[in-house]
Amino acid sequence: QVQLVQSGAEVKRPGASVTVSCKPSGNTFSGFYIHWVRQAPGQGLEWMGWLNPNSAVTHYSQKFQGRLTMTRDTSIRTTHMELSRLTSDDTALYYCARGPAGWLQFIDSWGQGTQVTVSS
Amino acid sequence: DIQLTQSPSTLSASVTDRVTITCRASQRISNRLAWFQKRPGKSPQLLIHTASRLESGVPSRFSATGSGTEFNLSISSLQPDDFGTYFCQHYYTYPYTFGQGTELEIK
Repeated sequence: QVQLVQSGAEVKRPGASVTVSCKPSGNTFSGFYIHWVRQAPGQGLEWMGWLNPNSAVTHYSQKFQGRLTMTRDTSIRTTHMELSRLTSDDTALYYCARGPAGWLQFIDSWGQGTQVTVSS
Repeated sequence: DIQLTQSPSTLSASVTDRVTITCRASQRISNRLAWFQKRPGKSPQLLIHTASRLESGVPSRFSATGSGTEFNLSISSLQPDDFGTYFCQHYYTYPYTFGQGTELEIK
């Protein structure tokens, strides 16, 4: 079973940025995408986008265009999700998740989640 | 965006019952649908992908059918471990979206 280990909880002020890290198990970055999904309190799941950690190609949901950045650091085999210009609406549990690369982009494994709280 | 509507929103059933959850898409999504189980305090777990393909390691009491706009997830004989919230998700066009969830309570 693939494991995805996320960084710890964050508390941010409105207007700030947050970066959440996600390290997949295994010794290769090829063959899969890293997706980011969030769940705000009392709300459903919301897909944010994906990163191909092998090529660094990304696709973001239009909703987050301009303030979402997904990157990878191949030297430490870790991926990052940065969300800028935070508002209270960004308070949520953020999950990284993994799925196969290619045309069937379903999610097959999830990280443990990282709580991001935006509060003044 | 494609809307996914699940029914029922909540479901209460007994151990050994058979239950079915429906997910309807606002437009055709071929077979690009997955089903997840989420228990409180845990991360979601993939049950089914490509509408009807059982994920490795998932008990065979879970099954799913559908294509186009209507999809069903069935649990043939409920077990105590099956409580939680079930979500569908499509991956047909961007943005991928989730259903609102069906909360399954074991009586």
